[in-house]
Amino acid sequence: AQTVTQSQPEMSVQEAETVTLSCTYDTSESDYYLFWYKQPPSRQMILVIRQEAYKQQNATENRFSVNFQKAAKSFSLKISDSQLGDAAMYFCAFAPFQVVQKLVFGQGTRLTINP
Amino acid sequence: GAGVSQSPSNKVTEKGKDVELRCDPISGHTALYWYRQSLGQGLEFLIYFQGNSAPDKSGLPSDRFSAERTGGSVSTLTIQRTQQEDSAVYLCASSLAAGYQETQYFGPGTRLLVL
Repeated sequence: AQTVTQSQPEMSVQEAETVTLSCTYDTSESDYYLFWYKQPPSRQMILVIRQEAYKQQNATENRFSVNFQKAAKSFSLKISDSQLGDAAMYFCAFAPFQVVQKLVFGQGTRLTINP
Repeated sequence: GAGVSQSPSNKVTEKGKDVELRCDPISGHTALYWYRQSLGQGLEFLIYFQGNSAPDKSGLPSDRFSAERTGGSVSTLTIQRTQQEDSAVYLCASSLAAGYQETQYFGPGTRLLVL
């Protein structure tokens, strides 16, 4: 069974600074996908970024980028130039190649942005 | 519609009663997913639909849980003889098709409280 672990229940960062959220996972699969989702107080989950395991290049989306270390089974999210609107719960998720519909989520990291 | 909608937003029920939770996916989306988010936890996959059929029901916690989808659109998650441990936020998502490259768009969820 796959598991996803987010070891930081809470993080805070000053506005305009950079913050990194950690995620590790455990799987015996060789092909899979990784995701970061954001959940604001409205409860609606929003996809932030995704990474295919077979790609060596780290995914980036504007101010969001990942550091994917396949051998270490690590998938951290870096948020640059943090903005007040980035405050939310962030969830790391894993999906095996064969059953991509079954996302396995970590327990989340609550990110606070200090003005 | 503009996004995934769920009803009711909040539901309070007594232990032993049945509840029905509704999800209206984005128009044209063929895949639909149900997740459960217990307090302070990540999301737990329950079931997904491709069209009207559910290829994988293994995530349903017990036989008290069932889900159906009709007309390839609206889905209902039914919990029979509710228990206090069923208290959680139930999130629905939809995607254009069931594949990793298809972003899952989430609704705002239904918060269920079983007294």
